[in-house]
Amino acid sequence: EAGVTQSPTHLIKTRGQQATLRCSPISGHTSVYWYQQALGLGLQFLLWYDEGEERNRGNFPPRFSGRQFPNYSSELNVNALELEDSALYLCASSETSGRAGTDTQYFGPGTRLTVL
Amino acid sequence: SQQGEEDPQALSIQEGENATMNCSYKTSINNLQWYRQNSGRGLVHLILIRSNEREKHSGRLRVTLDTSKKSSSLLITASRAADTASYFCATHDYKLSFGAGTTVTVRA
Repeated sequence: EAGVTQSPTHLIKTRGQQATLRCSPISGHTSVYWYQQALGLGLQFLLWYDEGEERNRGNFPPRFSGRQFPNYSSELNVNALELEDSALYLCASSETSGRAGTDTQYFGPGTRLTVL
Repeated sequence: SQQGEEDPQALSIQEGENATMNCSYKTSINNLQWYRQNSGRGLVHLILIRSNEREKHSGRLRVTLDTSKKSSSLLITASRAADTASYFCATHDYKLSFGAGTTVTVRA
Protein backbone atom coordinates (compact mmCIF):
# COMPACT_ATOMS: atom_id res chain seq x y z
CA GLU A 1 0.00 0.00 0.00
CA ALA A 2 1.44 3.37 -1.01
CA GLY A 3 2.04 5.87 1.74
CA VAL A 4 1.43 9.59 1.80
CA THR A 5 3.28 11.30 -1.02
CA GLN A 6 4.33 14.93 -1.29
CA SER A 7 5.74 17.03 -4.08
CA PRO A 8 8.05 18.65 -4.70
CA THR A 9 10.76 17.38 -2.36
CA HIS A 10 12.50 20.72 -2.36
CA LEU A 11 11.27 24.16 -3.36
CA ILE A 12 13.27 27.36 -3.53
CA LYS A 13 11.48 30.67 -3.81
CA THR A 14 12.24 34.32 -3.21
CA ARG A 15 10.49 36.72 -0.87
CA GLY A 16 7.09 37.82 -2.10
CA GLN A 17 6.57 34.85 -4.39
CA GLN A 18 3.92 32.16 -3.99
CA ALA A 19 4.57 28.51 -3.23
CA THR A 20 2.31 25.55 -3.94
CA LEU A 21 2.88 22.25 -2.19
CA ARG A 22 1.01 19.05 -2.99
CA CYS A 23 -0.01 15.99 -1.02
CA SER A 24 -1.64 12.69 -1.90
CA PRO A 25 -3.10 10.76 1.04
CA ILE A 26 -3.10 7.05 1.59
CA SER A 27 -5.83 5.39 -0.45
CA GLY A 28 -9.06 5.35 1.54
CA HIS A 29 -8.06 8.24 3.79
CA THR A 30 -10.27 11.29 3.58
CA SER A 31 -8.58 13.61 6.07
CA VAL A 32 -5.44 15.58 5.23
CA TYR A 33 -3.43 17.62 7.70
CA TRP A 34 -0.62 20.09 7.08
CA TYR A 35 2.14 20.85 9.57
CA GLN A 36 5.07 23.22 9.51
CA GLN A 37 8.41 22.30 11.06
CA ALA A 38 10.54 25.40 11.24
CA LEU A 39 13.93 25.53 12.89
CA GLY A 40 13.52 26.40 16.53
CA LEU A 41 9.73 26.34 16.44
CA GLY A 42 9.00 22.65 16.33
CA LEU A 43 6.08 20.99 14.59
CA GLN A 44 3.09 23.30 14.29
CA PHE A 45 -0.37 22.40 13.04
CA LEU A 46 -1.39 24.40 9.97
CA LEU A 47 -4.59 23.07 8.39
CA TRP A 48 -7.01 20.15 8.44
CA TYR A 49 -9.15 19.15 5.46
CA ASP A 50 -11.77 16.48 5.47
CA GLU A 51 -14.23 15.56 2.72
CA GLY A 52 -13.20 18.63 0.75
CA GLU A 53 -13.82 21.10 3.56
CA GLU A 54 -11.42 23.03 5.75
CA ARG A 55 -12.21 21.79 9.26
CA ASN A 56 -9.70 23.74 11.28
CA ARG A 57 -6.59 25.84 11.00
CA GLY A 58 -3.72 26.62 13.30
CA ASN A 59 -2.38 30.00 14.32
CA PHE A 60 -1.10 31.04 10.91
CA PRO A 61 -1.90 34.12 8.81
CA PRO A 62 -4.43 33.94 5.95
CA ARG A 63 -1.65 33.86 3.35
CA PHE A 64 -1.40 30.19 4.27
CA SER A 65 -4.30 28.52 2.53
CA GLY A 66 -5.14 25.32 0.78
CA ARG A 67 -7.77 23.07 -0.59
CA GLN A 68 -8.73 19.45 -0.88
CA PHE A 69 -9.77 17.95 -4.18
CA PRO A 70 -12.52 15.37 -4.83
CA ASN A 71 -9.87 12.61 -4.89
CA TYR A 72 -8.82 13.78 -1.37
CA SER A 73 -5.43 15.06 -2.48
CA SER A 74 -4.56 18.48 -1.17
CA GLU A 75 -2.65 21.62 -1.99
CA LEU A 76 -1.05 24.07 0.42
CA ASN A 77 -0.51 27.57 -0.92
CA VAL A 78 1.68 30.11 0.74
CA ASN A 79 1.36 33.63 -0.67
CA ALA A 80 3.68 36.60 -0.24
CA LEU A 81 6.49 34.40 1.03
CA GLU A 82 8.59 35.64 3.90
CA LEU A 83 12.02 34.45 4.99
CA GLU A 84 10.56 32.86 8.12
CA ASP A 85 8.35 30.61 5.98
CA SER A 86 11.44 28.52 5.28
CA ALA A 87 10.64 25.17 6.83
CA LEU A 88 9.81 21.54 6.25
CA TYR A 89 6.12 21.21 5.43
CA LEU A 90 4.65 17.87 6.34
CA CYS A 91 1.38 16.41 5.17
CA ALA A 92 -0.43 13.64 7.01
CA SER A 93 -3.55 11.66 6.28
CA SER A 94 -5.96 9.63 8.34
CA GLU A 95 -9.22 7.80 8.05
CA THR A 96 -12.04 9.71 9.66
CA SER A 97 -13.92 7.85 12.30
CA GLY A 98 -16.18 10.75 13.12
CA ARG A 99 -14.63 10.95 16.54
CA ALA A 100 -11.95 13.56 17.11
CA GLY A 101 -8.67 12.42 18.46
CA THR A 102 -8.83 8.76 17.56
CA ASP A 103 -7.28 8.33 14.13
CA THR A 104 -3.62 7.66 13.59
CA GLN A 105 -2.05 10.20 11.27
CA TYR A 106 0.45 8.93 8.70
CA PHE A 107 2.99 11.38 7.41
CA GLY A 108 4.59 11.98 4.05
CA PRO A 109 8.30 12.71 3.57
CA GLY A 110 7.76 16.47 3.49
CA THR A 111 8.56 19.39 1.22
CA ARG A 112 11.49 21.55 2.23
CA LEU A 113 10.71 25.14 1.33
CA THR A 114 13.55 27.64 1.26
CA VAL A 115 12.75 31.32 0.90
CA LEU A 116 15.65 33.52 -0.20
CA SER B 1 1.70 25.94 21.06
CA GLN B 2 3.54 22.87 22.30
CA GLN B 3 1.43 20.42 24.22
CA GLY B 4 3.96 17.71 24.95
CA GLU B 5 7.40 18.26 26.38
CA GLU B 6 10.02 15.56 26.00
CA ASP B 7 12.84 14.88 28.38
CA PRO B 8 15.76 14.62 27.87
CA GLN B 9 16.34 16.82 24.84
CA ALA B 10 19.21 14.60 23.73
CA LEU B 11 20.40 11.11 24.56
CA SER B 12 23.54 9.26 23.49
CA ILE B 13 23.79 5.52 24.13
CA GLN B 14 25.82 2.51 23.07
CA GLU B 15 24.34 -0.02 20.68
CA GLY B 16 22.55 -2.70 22.67
CA GLU B 17 21.63 -0.40 25.55
CA ASN B 18 18.12 0.73 26.35
CA ALA B 19 16.89 4.25 25.71
CA THR B 20 14.18 5.88 27.77
CA MET B 21 12.54 9.21 27.08
CA ASN B 22 9.70 10.94 28.83
CA CYS B 23 6.89 13.17 27.74
CA SER B 24 4.69 15.47 29.79
CA TYR B 25 1.55 17.14 28.55
CA LYS B 26 -0.84 19.76 29.81
CA THR B 27 -4.46 18.94 29.02
CA SER B 28 -6.66 15.88 29.06
CA ILE B 29 -6.22 13.59 26.06
CA ASN B 30 -7.98 10.96 23.99
CA ASN B 31 -4.73 9.32 23.08
CA LEU B 32 -1.03 9.99 22.92
CA GLN B 33 1.15 9.00 20.01
CA TRP B 34 4.88 8.59 19.54
CA TYR B 35 6.63 9.34 16.26
CA ARG B 36 10.17 8.99 14.96
CA GLN B 37 11.86 11.37 12.53
CA ASN B 38 15.08 10.54 10.73
CA SER B 39 17.31 13.41 9.59
CA GLY B 40 14.62 16.04 9.05
CA ARG B 41 12.42 13.79 6.94
CA GLY B 42 8.85 12.66 7.44
CA LEU B 43 7.50 11.29 10.68
CA VAL B 44 7.04 7.57 11.18
CA HIS B 45 4.23 6.53 13.50
CA LEU B 46 5.51 4.25 16.24
CA ILE B 47 2.71 3.62 18.67
CA LEU B 48 -0.60 5.00 19.89
CA ILE B 49 -1.73 4.58 23.47
CA ARG B 50 -5.27 5.44 24.46
CA SER B 51 -6.17 7.32 27.61
CA ASN B 52 -7.61 4.18 29.21
CA GLU B 53 -4.43 2.16 28.62
CA ARG B 54 -1.44 2.14 30.94
CA GLU B 55 1.13 0.25 28.91
CA LYS B 56 1.60 -0.87 25.34
CA HIS B 57 4.26 -2.85 23.52
CA SER B 58 5.30 -2.98 19.90
CA GLY B 59 8.41 -4.99 19.09
CA ARG B 60 11.30 -3.38 20.97
CA LEU B 61 9.15 -0.43 22.01
CA ARG B 62 7.33 -0.06 25.31
CA VAL B 63 5.14 2.92 26.05
CA THR B 64 3.57 3.77 29.37
CA LEU B 65 0.94 6.37 30.12
CA ASP B 66 0.08 7.92 33.46
CA THR B 67 -2.90 10.21 32.98
CA SER B 68 -2.86 11.28 36.65
CA LYS B 69 0.61 12.72 36.14
CA LYS B 70 -0.03 13.69 32.52
CA SER B 71 3.08 11.86 31.44
CA SER B 72 4.21 9.10 29.12
CA SER B 73 7.46 7.28 28.54
CA LEU B 74 8.96 5.51 25.55
CA LEU B 75 11.48 2.73 26.10
CA ILE B 76 13.52 1.35 23.23
CA THR B 77 15.20 -1.89 24.21
CA ALA B 78 18.40 -3.32 22.71
CA SER B 79 19.02 -0.20 20.64
CA ARG B 80 20.52 -0.32 17.17
CA ALA B 81 22.31 2.26 15.05
CA ALA B 82 19.15 2.54 12.95
CA ASP B 83 17.30 3.85 16.02
CA THR B 84 19.29 7.08 15.75
CA ALA B 85 16.56 9.67 15.20
CA SER B 86 14.42 12.29 16.89
CA TYR B 87 11.44 11.02 18.83
CA PHE B 88 8.31 13.05 19.42
CA CYS B 89 5.27 12.54 21.55
CA ALA B 90 2.04 14.08 20.36
CA THR B 91 -1.31 14.55 21.97
CA HIS B 92 -4.33 14.24 19.77
CA ASP B 93 -7.54 16.26 19.73
CA TYR B 94 -8.17 16.21 15.90
CA LYS B 95 -4.77 17.79 15.32
CA LEU B 96 -1.51 16.55 16.73
CA SER B 97 0.32 18.78 19.17
CA PHE B 98 3.96 17.87 19.35
CA GLY B 99 6.67 18.34 21.89
CA ALA B 100 10.15 19.53 21.01
CA GLY B 101 11.44 15.98 20.71
CA THR B 102 14.29 13.88 22.06
CA THR B 103 17.28 13.36 19.79
CA VAL B 104 18.68 9.87 20.26
CA THR B 105 22.14 8.91 19.02
CA VAL B 106 23.07 5.23 19.11
CA ARG B 107 26.82 4.69 18.94
CA ALA B 108 28.16 1.55 17.29
